Amino acid sequence: EIVLTQSPATLSLSPGERATLSCRASQSVKSFLAWHQQKPGQAPRLLISDASNRATGIPARFSGSGSGTDFTLTISSLEPEDFAVYYCQQRGKWPFTFGPGTKVDI
Amino acid sequence: QVQLQESGPGLVKASETLSLTCTVSGGSISTSYCSWIRQPPGKGLEWIADSYYSGDTNYNPSLRGRATISIDTTKNQFSLTLNSVTAPDTAVYYCASGLSWGTLGHWGQGTLVTVSS
Repeated sequence: EIVLTQSPATLSLSPGERATLSCRASQSVKSFLAWHQQKPGQAPRLLISDASNRATGIPARFSGSGSGTDFTLTISSLEPEDFAVYYCQQRGKWPFTFGPGTKVDI
Repeated sequence: QVQLQESGPGLVKASETLSLTCTVSGGSISTSYCSWIRQPPGKGLEWIADSYYSGDTNYNPSLRGRATISIDTTKNQFSLTLNSVTAPDTAVYYCASGLSWGTLGHWGQGTLVTVSS
């Protein structure tokens, strides 16, 4: 199966700062990579699909880039509600898999 | 707006069968790719299975054939059964759906299932 590695495991930042999260796949997933946000006690929420497409209702401060094996989620200016865990997820090859997550905290 | 809601027992005895149902509202299940995903307490996400109403299904090999996903278009629901459960199957189980294989545009709130000995 395709293994997704996320870095860093934890990102400690302040509101207003820029966050850059990385996801690396063990083999190419083309552009079939998504990013989900999960807050404590809540279900994940889709942010970005197919590497760079923002989901409906997702603010423009969230952007995704990359293809093949290396992907990035950028939050241009952190809002208080953005402190959460972020998971990357590939659908390039079954079984679809998730990364271990990056926690963005204050 | 599409909404998903999981239902089923919160406690299952070891060696028995876990059964969950996901009810979809605000959209037709016949245009959706349906998935089950789980998250053990304090851990990451694991894809269990997905399916399309045509009958195409995929199962995670890690479950060694214990999972079955099914879709009932008449009720706009899809279900998961997982047999021979053990303690490691304790998790929050999420149903999710999307417009193509592997897309998770909509998630249920999740339901905690605990396997007891």
